Amino acid sequence: AQSVSQHNHHVILSEAASLELGCNYSYGGTVNLFWYVQYPGQHLQLLLKYFSGDPLVKGIKGFEAEFIKSKFSFNLRKPSVQWSDTAEYFCAEYNPGTYKYIFGTGTRLKVLA
Amino acid sequence: GAGVSQSPSNKVTEKGKDVELRCDPISGHTALYWYRQSLGQGLEFLIYFQGNSAPDKSGLPSDRFSAERTGGSVSTLTIQRTQQEDSAVYLCASSPGAGFNEKLFFGSGTQLSVL
Repeated sequence: AQSVSQHNHHVILSEAASLELGCNYSYGGTVNLFWYVQYPGQHLQLLLKYFSGDPLVKGIKGFEAEFIKSKFSFNLRKPSVQWSDTAEYFCAEYNPGTYKYIFGTGTRLKVLA
Repeated sequence: GAGVSQSPSNKVTEKGKDVELRCDPISGHTALYWYRQSLGQGLEFLIYFQGNSAPDKSGLPSDRFSAERTGGSVSTLTIQRTQQEDSAVYLCASSPGAGFNEKLFFGSGTQLSVL
């Protein structure tokens, strides 16, 4: 069955530290990958997405993600985190054959001021 | 409306009772998804609608769960004879269509607590 794996469940960082959250997908077909973020008390919202082209994708708020086909990975990165980045981050993959968006279990990030 | 609206925002019910959760998607969005968010479980796909039809019901956990969508707009998720393991946040999301380049717009969810 199609699955998305996020390896880090809880991450605690100090402000200005660099961030990398792991994500591995399983679908071997056309790749459609997303990162969503849920800030405390807010809706899930799109951070960035990848469908084709440059494997390094830039999103909002200084986030970026790199698609590495050989590793089935789509890791999220930010060079310098801020306290306001405290949130839960979800990696997701869209399967165009089934119209399903499959989400990972999420990573809770806490940034200490 | 401006966004996806879900009601109620919180629902506390007794085991064995039926509950109905409502989702009002963004006007004009033809695709609608229901997910369940449990602690440590991520977002579990429940069901997907394109217009009024649900081509994929495979995610519904049991036959106690059902969903419908009328007029290509509002959707209701019904859970019959609720059990404690049904306690979770139920999220609804919509998108303009069922395409790979469509981002999902999420509602704020219904927190269901089964006592």
